[in-house]
Amino acid sequence: GENVEQHPSTLSVQEGDSAVIKCTYSDSASNYFPWYKQELGKRPQLIIDIRSNVGEKKDQRIAVTLNKTAKHFSLHITETQPEDSAVYFCAASKEYGNKLVFGAGTILRVKS
Amino acid sequence: EAGVVQSPRYKIIEKKQPVAFWCNPISGHNTLYWYLQNLGQGPELLIRYENEEAVDDSQLPKDRFSAERLKGVDSTLKIQPAELGDSAVYLCASSSGQGVYNEQFFGPGTRLTVL
Repeated sequence: GENVEQHPSTLSVQEGDSAVIKCTYSDSASNYFPWYKQELGKRPQLIIDIRSNVGEKKDQRIAVTLNKTAKHFSLHITETQPEDSAVYFCAASKEYGNKLVFGAGTILRVKS
Repeated sequence: EAGVVQSPRYKIIEKKQPVAFWCNPISGHNTLYWYLQNLGQGPELLIRYENEEAVDDSQLPKDRFSAERLKGVDSTLKIQPAELGDSAVYLCASSSGQGVYNEQFFGPGTRLTVL
């Protein structure tokens, strides 16, 4: 089955700096890669996703890149703000409502 | 629109006791998921429903866990008997089932503590 590895497990950045979180997946059939943000004690919320037919997607300060050949994808957050502090999870899935296989998460701390 | 609703939010029980969790998905969402989230880990799928049919329950420990979604809307997840290792957050999610890819919306979860 699919296995998703996520690095780093913790990341501290200064406010205004960029943050990058990387994930690798094992199943070449996976073709949907969402990123979820989970604040302490709250539900995971989708912040951005990418399908396998594109290599990059951007939404304001957040971008995701996908390298299908290498089977890895990354989350990029620019101009970080204290409210970006949370746990970020990457996930991989095959099409149509299939289960999401999550990475172990990255604790992001943005220091002001 | 209203989000995924779960209850209770917190539950503390003694080991060997039964426990049940309830989930109400977003209206119109045909697909419902139960995930288990251990502390410091990502969610792991327990079971997925398409309407009232369980289409993926390969990771549900069937000796003690059971789930149902009788009318294809609300769902319950039960543990009987609970063990210490079952302490975790149980997340419910739903998706519309329309289109090739569809976002999964998560509920707030039920935090279970087994003493």
